[in-house]
Amino acid sequence: DQQVKQNSPSLSVQEGRISILNCDYTNSMFDYFLWYKKYPAEGPTFLISISSIKDKNEDGRFTVFLNKSAKHLSLHIVPSQPGDSAVYFCAASGSRLTFGEGTQLTVNP
Amino acid sequence: DVKVTQSSRYLVKRTGEKVFLECVQDMDHENMFWYRQDPGLGLRLIYFSYDVKMKEKGDIPEGYSVSREKKERFSLILESASTNQTSMYLCASSLWSGGQPQHFGDGTRLSIL
Repeated sequence: DQQVKQNSPSLSVQEGRISILNCDYTNSMFDYFLWYKKYPAEGPTFLISISSIKDKNEDGRFTVFLNKSAKHLSLHIVPSQPGDSAVYFCAASGSRLTFGEGTQLTVNP
Repeated sequence: DVKVTQSSRYLVKRTGEKVFLECVQDMDHENMFWYRQDPGLGLRLIYFSYDVKMKEKGDIPEGYSVSREKKERFSLILESASTNQTSMYLCASSLWSGGQPQHFGDGTRLSIL
């Protein structure tokens, strides 16, 4: 039972445009959500998080939105840069983290 | 700076072998985790530990065991390696459980022939 799903395996955008990565979850008990970025041959690195009591959190070019009624969160990257090309994982927290399948983002110069 | 070190970047073993993957963190974190990453499946939790000598099963513990004799070290053991355990293995640690961000090592690419 996949409790956290990223339905888009890949996303391609032009440099300077907005990247929107999506994530859906099923467990209403999740109380914290995180995004990680992973480059090839490296471990995932923490990017940004949001508590379930908020609906938006912003950090520079990265903004995460949470829609609890829809059990949906999204990561917006604006403007996108070629260095943002990586696999992005969303994760949801109850007693431990549950990860989605990941989305490969490619930002074209 | 936070540092999680996995002993091997690449490892090739044969079926039936007992395989040890080592992980060390230098942040005095209470919690340590072992995941495997497979294409299309994301990161799946194998085992975790919230204290020395304590361990909990994750979502896919079958065929694996773990050892945590010291706070900074968490070992993953493949008791009798099989080809379906070929994967990328990632170790992580965090200060607390729940929503606390986890810090990951760079992974061990394990191939079982």
